[in-house]
Amino acid sequence: EILMTQSPATLSAYLGERVTLSCRASQSVLTNLAWYQHKPGQAPRLLLYRASTRATDIPARFSGSGSGTDFTLTISSLQSEDFAVYYCQHYHNWPQTFGQGTKLQIK
Amino acid sequence: QVQLVQSGAEVKKPGASVKVSCKSSAYTFTGHYVHWVRQAPGQGPEWMGWINPNNGGAKLAPKFQDRVTMTRDTSITTVYMELSGLRSDDTAVYYCARDVNPDHDTVTGYCDYWGQGTLVTVSS
Repeated sequence: EILMTQSPATLSAYLGERVTLSCRASQSVLTNLAWYQHKPGQAPRLLLYRASTRATDIPARFSGSGSGTDFTLTISSLQSEDFAVYYCQHYHNWPQTFGQGTKLQIK
Repeated sequence: QVQLVQSGAEVKKPGASVKVSCKSSAYTFTGHYVHWVRQAPGQGPEWMGWINPNNGGAKLAPKFQDRVTMTRDTSITTVYMELSGLRSDDTAVYYCARDVNPDHDTVTGYCDYWGQGTLVTVSS
């Protein structure tokens, strides 16, 4: 089973700031990686797949990069609605696994 | 719009079973695999397995193979996840989620629509 490690666990940032979240896989997943946003009491929301492709209706301020074992999610200018927990998930093989998440909070 | 609507919260005693339903609407039910993912308090999401609503075939993560059954009822576009032998560490929010791939014979492994989650609490 591939272990997904996200960092940092918590990130405090200001509105309008640019932030980068990291995700590392214990072995190569090529670009078979998705990012989700999760707010309390809501269903998770798919942000990116194939490491860098935005899902339907996802704003352009969300971008992803990486391949193999190291990936990043960048939010170019934080909006109030972006404060949430973000998870990466690989789907390279079975079983797919998730990271532990990065909680993005307002500074 | 595409929706997956799950059954309500459950409180169960250790050793009991729970069956969570997930009703799909506004898309071809048999076209997309449905995954089940759970999230325990303070933990990251954990993938449990998937079911192919087209033929009822399912694949479970190893730790759930002895305790989880996934089924579907195509007449009411609903999938079910039953977890038996409940323990306190099964306390979690359980989600169903639709696989992105519309080919009824192919699972991609990530999900574009999710249910609202069902809290299952296991307590004596």
